[in-house]
Amino acid sequence: EILLTQSPATLSLSPGERATLSCRASQSVGTYLAWYQQKPGQSPRLLIYDASTRATGIPARFSGSGSGTDFTLTISSLEPEDFALYYCQQRNNWPPIFTFGPGTKVDIK
Amino acid sequence: QVQLVESGGGVVQPGRSLRLSCVASGFTFTNFGMHWVRQAPGKGPEWVAVISYDGNHEYSADSVKGRFTISRDNSKNTLYLQMDSLRPEDTALYYCARATAGVSSWRPMEVWGQGTLVTVSS
Repeated sequence: EILLTQSPATLSLSPGERATLSCRASQSVGTYLAWYQQKPGQSPRLLIYDASTRATGIPARFSGSGSGTDFTLTISSLEPEDFALYYCQQRNNWPPIFTFGPGTKVDIK
Repeated sequence: QVQLVESGGGVVQPGRSLRLSCVASGFTFTNFGMHWVRQAPGKGPEWVAVISYDGNHEYSADSVKGRFTISRDNSKNTLYLQMDSLRPEDTALYYCARATAGVSSWRPMEVWGQGTLVTVSS
């Protein structure tokens, strides 16, 4: 079973600052890595898939990078609506089993 | 517009069964793999199961394997989750989600419903 760890658990930043979130897999997942944003009372929202492809309608300030075991989600300049929980998710090569990370909370400093 | 609407949640005793439904609209249902994802109160999302576009293949998490069955009826644009032998730890908000477009059905979750709440309690 591939496990995901996310760091930091909480990131306290101000609007306009750059946010860098990390996701590490216990073994290589290639580029089968996605990032989701979730706000209280809302369903998760896909931001990035295949490690670096922005989902439809996602602003360019969100970017993803990495491959293998180490991945990064970068928010270049935080907007007020970006303060939320962020989860990474991987998919096994085969069988296609999906796993979410524990999440990083981005809150207002 | 693209929409997923879940139903069928409720309060159920441990050991009993429940069937969730998810009606899709606004897209060609038969073109996409579909997932169930759950989220216990105050916890992160947990993937439950995925099914191929044609319903011929499915995979599930170890935590539900042998108890939950994912299926779909493409003639009705509907996804199902049959949940048997329910346990208190299955208490969660259950989301259906559509995979991203692609050749493979085994893609991340791009479109999400609002969820249906399942509570397992005596």
